[in-house]
Amino acid sequence: NAGVTQTPKFRVLKTGQSMTLLCAQDMNHEYMYWYRQDPGMGLRLIHYSVGEGTTAKGEVPDGYNVSRLKKQNFLLGLESAAPSQTSVYFCASSHYKGLWRQETQYFGPGTRLLVL
Amino acid sequence: AQTVTQSQPEMSVQEAETVTLSCTYDTSESNYYLFWYKQPPSRQMILVIRQEAYKQQNATENRFSVNFQKAAKSFSLKISDSQLGDTAMYFCAFMKSGANSKLTFGKGITLSVRP
Repeated sequence: NAGVTQTPKFRVLKTGQSMTLLCAQDMNHEYMYWYRQDPGMGLRLIHYSVGEGTTAKGEVPDGYNVSRLKKQNFLLGLESAAPSQTSVYFCASSHYKGLWRQETQYFGPGTRLLVL
Repeated sequence: AQTVTQSQPEMSVQEAETVTLSCTYDTSESNYYLFWYKQPPSRQMILVIRQEAYKQQNATENRFSVNFQKAAKSFSLKISDSQLGDTAMYFCAFMKSGANSKLTFGKGITLSVRP
């Protein structure tokens, strides 16, 4: 049971390049999330998904796209990377137990992205 | 919208002593959850403790306990018998109950445990 995994762990991009970050979870969780962490800012939600085939915007969605074609995977795409997207990216997942109960979010190890 | 405030950017404590990390939040919701996450130098986000707002009893997990004051919207974390491995960044987070709920994080506090 690996929990939440993220690929890659570290990546350097040039401005304008594109890339996809992969998040995978083996806990059969319904909900998945992408966050970014910047110094002094805490974690901020980029996009999230409440189930296979559904995605929604979070607090800072601009410049990112996501897809959830399979329940266990959540992809974060950068179509044209910018230096402002230099950050550490975290994926998380959680189980949904019904309308008034949502379980704790479990986080992946993070992906460090540097955009030059 | 919810906000979470951690006003102390850094704290330091001697090994084996007790330290309290502060967190306040603002919400109009009546049903919600509060969390403390730990982020050591490895960057892994680790759940420390969770509190459900409808529970009056403060949550405890071994050396970690919270002081949840719902009326004051305060949620502090107490670490007893501090250990060197407790050195990390600690984030307070809020999530309202219900579908499509999302975590709102504070900016975090860096805790250093001195040998």
